Amino acid sequence: EAGVAQSPRYKIIEKRQSVAFWCNPISGHATLYWYQQILGQGPKLLIQFQNNGVVDDSQLPKDRFSAERLKGVDSTLKIQPAKLEDSAVYLCASSLALGHGDTEAFFGQGTRLTVV
Amino acid sequence: AQSVTQLDSHVSVSEGTPVLLRCNYSSSYSPSLFWYVQHPNKGLQLLLKYTSAATLVKGINGFEAEFKKSETSFHLTKPSAHMSDAAEYFCVVSFMDTGRRALTFGSGTRLQVQP
Repeated sequence: EAGVAQSPRYKIIEKRQSVAFWCNPISGHATLYWYQQILGQGPKLLIQFQNNGVVDDSQLPKDRFSAERLKGVDSTLKIQPAKLEDSAVYLCASSLALGHGDTEAFFGQGTRLTVV
Repeated sequence: AQSVTQLDSHVSVSEGTPVLLRCNYSSSYSPSLFWYVQHPNKGLQLLLKYTSAATLVKGINGFEAEFKKSETSFHLTKPSAHMSDAAEYFCVVSFMDTGRRALTFGSGTRLQVQP
């Protein structure tokens, strides 16, 4: 079974530039998450989708971050404009739909973003 | 509100000795609890999960954890550490909140295994 795919693996940009990350979840997983993991900290949820609808985006800095999952499968996360403090690993995860009992989330390898 | 506290940021053990990584949680609802492991430059991998069945949960690679409701703890243990166990470990709490499934991560414990 293929896992969660993310690209790119690494990205270096200058502050005030924009960047986009892509995620392809495990086939059949309706729930998709984006997490931000700053060095030395645990992952923090940015946004959670159920199919193509947003379930939770309470911790997403909406003035600069945006995410979409138009067809309920792939998702993109965008930062515009980037700040130095956005340097982190961005993790995508997926799980079976809510209501299918309690299932774990499966994580991709992440995109390491460095803002200089 | 829910939260999870990992009591040690770093733990160092000798190969072949027991491992104990401590985790306490706070949740207004019946939680589900997980331990994930993160090796350098690799994705997060599920070690084990507790979802209101048996309180002693066995996971992969010889790890296990015991859910203690009275102590609000979910400590991770392994009888004998191996060099390959060196990694970052995260305790995660999850519960259903108004139709969402919120996953809250602890700050992580870095396990070092000395030869």
